Amino acid sequence: RKEVEQDPGPFNVPEGATVAFNCTYSNSASQSFFWYRQDCRKEPKLLMSVYSSGNEDGRFTAQLNRASQYISLLIRDSKLSDSATYLCVVNNNNNDMRFGAGTRLTVKP
Amino acid sequence: DAGITQSPRHKVTETGTPVTLRCHQTENHRYMYWYRQDPGHGLRLIHYSYGVKDTDKGEVSDGYSVSRSKTEDFLLTLESATSSQTSVYFCAISVSGFIGELFFGEGSRLTVL
Repeated sequence: RKEVEQDPGPFNVPEGATVAFNCTYSNSASQSFFWYRQDCRKEPKLLMSVYSSGNEDGRFTAQLNRASQYISLLIRDSKLSDSATYLCVVNNNNNDMRFGAGTRLTVKP
Repeated sequence: DAGITQSPRHKVTETGTPVTLRCHQTENHRYMYWYRQDPGHGLRLIHYSYGVKDTDKGEVSDGYSVSRSKTEDFLLTLESATSSQTSVYFCAISVSGFIGELFFGEGSRLTVL
């Protein structure tokens, strides 16, 4: 079993839709959590950190559920430019960062 | 722009040949990382460095070595490339000192025939 698991998708949604991704992790001692975005054949880029209390950045909302060991990303009012692969990242201990394989999102006109 | 450049960006080589990938940063950040990315897998840490001549192994270090003789350069070497090392290799730096916030180079696509 992978340490960080994501539904690979693809999620195909129309512009303006709300879409949510979940990610589960297996290490209960994991300390910090992140979502990265990766465009096709490009490098990953940090989208947002995920805080215990949940956090929002514009149309993006991230939540953490430690008891069930999952994190989520909600995208509201999807734009064409949101099309990308979203990577869930879990930091176990300093340099022990574990990446999920990613969830692919395509937003269609 | 965190000032990271990787070279070469693309390389095709044959099994058994040595390969060195270079990561160069312009801003003197302490922590540098090498990851590989393969279909169906998340990025996996190969090696990382926390200063000049200070390096440590990651999750998938077998078959790879690294060197950091200057703050700005982190080299990844495949002593004898194998087809299983065909991958996209990303260098990353930690800018803020908070390990989770990484900035990546554009990647080096390596094909081992």
